[in-house]
Amino acid sequence: EVQLVETGGGLIQPGGSLRLSCAASGFTVNRNYMNWVRQAPGKGLEWVSVIYSDGSTDYAESVKGRFTISRDNSKNAVYLQMNTLRAEDTAVYYCARGLWSGSYFYVDSWGQGTLVTVSS
Amino acid sequence: EIVLTQSPGTLSLSPGDRGTLSCRASQSVSSTSFAWYQHKPGQAPRLLIYGASNRATGIPDRFSGSGSGTDFTLTISRLEPEDFAVYYCQQYVRSPWTFGQGTKVEIK
Repeated sequence: EVQLVETGGGLIQPGGSLRLSCAASGFTVNRNYMNWVRQAPGKGLEWVSVIYSDGSTDYAESVKGRFTISRDNSKNAVYLQMNTLRAEDTAVYYCARGLWSGSYFYVDSWGQGTLVTVSS
Repeated sequence: EIVLTQSPGTLSLSPGDRGTLSCRASQSVSSTSFAWYQHKPGQAPRLLIYGASNRATGIPDRFSGSGSGTDFTLTISRLEPEDFAVYYCQQYVRSPWTFGQGTKVEIK
């Protein structure tokens, strides 16, 4: 069974740093495209970042230069290092698996999310 | 950036009604990289449709997707009480992988 468990959220002051972790089970993270998606209070879903199976990465403009996605194949985990945090980064952060199935690509599994609150 | 615009913003329906949700892309999107999700408060989003028209594993056949190019539709043929939620479309054709702003399906 595919499972994703996010940890590391909490209350952090503006300008601070936080690292989110996503522990995966039931599949291998380095064979999939692993994503972070967030939802700010009262807002919709916003894609944040992806790490592809070849290790390359991509980011939303709103976090580029501040956030870094990485993975640890030995732990089958994905991370999101968030620096220079702003109030507008306050959100529930979801870890999600993207995969290719035949000619289709989609995100099929999500964690329950971890809440990040940026406030003084 | 490919902008996805969903309409309506809110759909007020009764159980048993048919719901039709629209998603329009600012430029053509490959159907193979287009999906619909259901999201309920406090829960993880749930994949409903991938490839614009393929139901994900375990999704009831009252959910169907259609469309191509810039216009896509999610249809719920007969609303069940558990279907009241927010629905999002998403494209994976080109980074950034954008979501629509969501359509809330609420009980009338």
